[in-house]
Amino acid sequence: DIQMTQSPSSLSASVGDRVTITCRASQTIITYLNWYQHKPGKAPELLIYAASSLQSGVPSRFSGSGSGTDLTLTISSLQPEDFATYYCQQSYSIPWTFGQGTKVEIK
Amino acid sequence: EVQLVESGGGLVQPGGSLRLSCAASGFTFSNYAMSWVRQAPGKGLEWVSGVSGGGSTYYADSVKGRFTISRDNSKNTLYLQMDSLRAEDTAVYYCAKDKRSTVVRGTNFDFWGQGTLVTVSS
Repeated sequence: DIQMTQSPSSLSASVGDRVTITCRASQTIITYLNWYQHKPGKAPELLIYAASSLQSGVPSRFSGSGSGTDLTLTISSLQPEDFATYYCQQSYSIPWTFGQGTKVEIK
Repeated sequence: EVQLVESGGGLVQPGGSLRLSCAASGFTFSNYAMSWVRQAPGKGLEWVSGVSGGGSTYYADSVKGRFTISRDNSKNTLYLQMDSLRAEDTAVYYCAKDKRSTVVRGTNFDFWGQGTLVTVSS
C-alpha cells in the first residue's frame, strides 16, 4: 500500500496568512493526488484533484502543485471559513489511501 | 442537487453484523462508481470499499472477507454489509460519489454524505 504522510499535522495561522501543507507519498504517484477539506460534523469536500485542478465551486485561493512523491496544497489568503482539517488522498493504486490530516486552527 | 444520505448505523456487539445504506439522488446513479470511507474516533479518513457503476468491487485489506459492498441501480442505493464486526471497525461511515464510472487510477470523490456512526462494543 502507498503510505501518505502530511506535514505539518497541525498549524495555527491568522486570517490573511498564506498556508502550505505538504503531502509525501511512499512511492511516486505522479499527479494522482486529491485534496479534501473536512469540518467537524460535515461531509468532506473535494478541493483539488489530479494534483492541481480546482474542483468546480472551490475558491481560487486554493491551489495544488507538485508531482512524484512531494505535493502541496496552498491557501493564498486564509479566510475564517477555511479553518478545518485537510486531507490528501492518492488515487494512483488501490487501496486508495489518505494522509493523516492537517488541522488548521486560528492563531 | 446531488444528495447522499447514509443510514443503518448503530451499536452492535463484536462479531455482529450491520448493513449500511446510502440513498443517492440528483445524478444518474448507475453512471458513477461509489465508495465507502470511514473515520474512526480521533483518526483520519480510511477508504473501505468501492464499486463501479457496473458492479465490480474492491476492498481494503482490513475489511476483505468481512464486508460486502453492493449497489441497486434501480433503487439508486449503495450498501455495505458488515459481518464479523470488530471494535476497530467503530467509525463514522461516509458514502462518496466518484467522478468516474469505474474504480480506476485517477479516482476522486466529488460528493460525500454526512455519515452514519457505527459503534462496535459489548
